[in-house]
This record gives sequence, structure tokens and C-alpha cells, in this order.
Amino acid sequence: DIQMTQSPSSLSASVGDRVTITCRANQSISNYLNWYQQKPGKAPNLLIYAASSLKSGVPSRFSGSGSGTDFTLTISSLQPEDFATYYCQQSYRIPRVTFGPGTTVDIK
Amino acid sequence: QVQLVQSGAEVKKPGSSVKVSCRASGGTFNNFAVSWLRQAPGQGLEWVGRIIPSFGILNHAQSLQGRITFTADTSTSTVYMELSSLRSEDTAVYYCARVRAYDSGGYSTFDPWGQGTLVTVSS
Repeated sequence: DIQMTQSPSSLSASVGDRVTITCRANQSISNYLNWYQQKPGKAPNLLIYAASSLKSGVPSRFSGSGSGTDFTLTISSLQPEDFATYYCQQSYRIPRVTFGPGTTVDIK
Repeated sequence: QVQLVQSGAEVKKPGSSVKVSCRASGGTFNNFAVSWLRQAPGQGLEWVGRIIPSFGILNHAQSLQGRITFTADTSTSTVYMELSSLRSEDTAVYYCARVRAYDSGGYSTFDPWGQGTLVTVSS
């Protein structure tokens, strides 16, 4: 299986802050990388696919970049509704996809 | 817009089986794959398996070999996941999710997800 790691595992930030989360794969996955947001007690929601493509309806403050093994999710100006856990997921080796361990963004 | 509606929470004894359903509301699973994922308490996400109802294609995580079964009832747009020989480490929220492909099928995602079904294995 392709192993995914994320850093940091958690971070504290304030409304209006710029936040960056990093995801790394242990082998090249081209741009087959998705990002999900999960709030407590809820199912994950897709934010970004193909490393940098925003799903329709997702606010433009979210952006993704990267290719190969290193990827980032950036929230340009953190909003109150953005406090959540974020997961990256590789879709390079379907159907046996794998997720990163998650990054929790909480209020400073 | 398709929504996925899952069955309710279950409490099971070790060694027993559980069957979780996932129904497509407002649409069907025609030509789509449905994946199952799970999330143990306070943990991350793990892919469990998938079914493509229209083609009878089944795949599952190697760690669940011999214990997991996926079925589908296309007449009711419902898929099922059955896990047998339950262990305490199977305690988790189980999610179904439609596999949605973007850009002419090149990029596979999970979208939407069901609301989740908590399966608790406890003696």
C-alpha cells in the first residue's frame, strides 16, 4: 500500500490566519491526491481533487498544490467554519486507496 | 443530487456478524462504484472495500479477507456490507461513499458519503 503522512498532526490558528497543511506519499502518485474536511460527528466532505482542482461549491480560500510525492492544502483566510480535521487521500492505486492520518485545525 | 442513507447503529458481541445498508436517495448506483470505509474512535480513515453493482465487481481490503461481503439490490438502489467474526478492533463508524470520477474518469474521489453507521463490538 502507498503510505501517506501529514504534518502537522494538529495546529492552532486564529480566524483570518493563513494555514498550510502538508501531505507526503512514500512513492510518486503524480497528482492523484484528494483533500477532505471532516467535522466532529460528521462524514468527510471532498474539498479538492487532482491535487489542485476545487470541487464545485467549495470556497475559493481553499487551494491545493503539489505533484509527485509532496502536496499542500492552503486555507488563505481561516473562517470559523473551517475548524475541522483535514485528510489527504491518494487515488493513484485504486481501489486500494489510502489516507493520511489527518490534521486537526483548532482555535487558538 | 444523490444522497446516501445508511442504517442505524449496531451493538454486537464478539464473534457475531453485522450487516450495514446504504441506500441511494434521489438517484441510483447505475454504473457507479460504492466504497466502504471505516473510522475507529479517534482514528483516521481506512478503506474497507468496494462494489460496482452494475458489473458485480467486488474488492476488499486484504486485512478483512474472508470476513467481509458486499452485496447489492439494484431494485432498491441499496448496497450492503456484512462483516463476520467480529472483534473489538472492528468497532468503528462505517461509511459508504459513492466513487465519483472527475475529468473523464481519470480522478477518483469519494463523493458523497453516507452519514455513517457506528458498529460497536463488545461483550
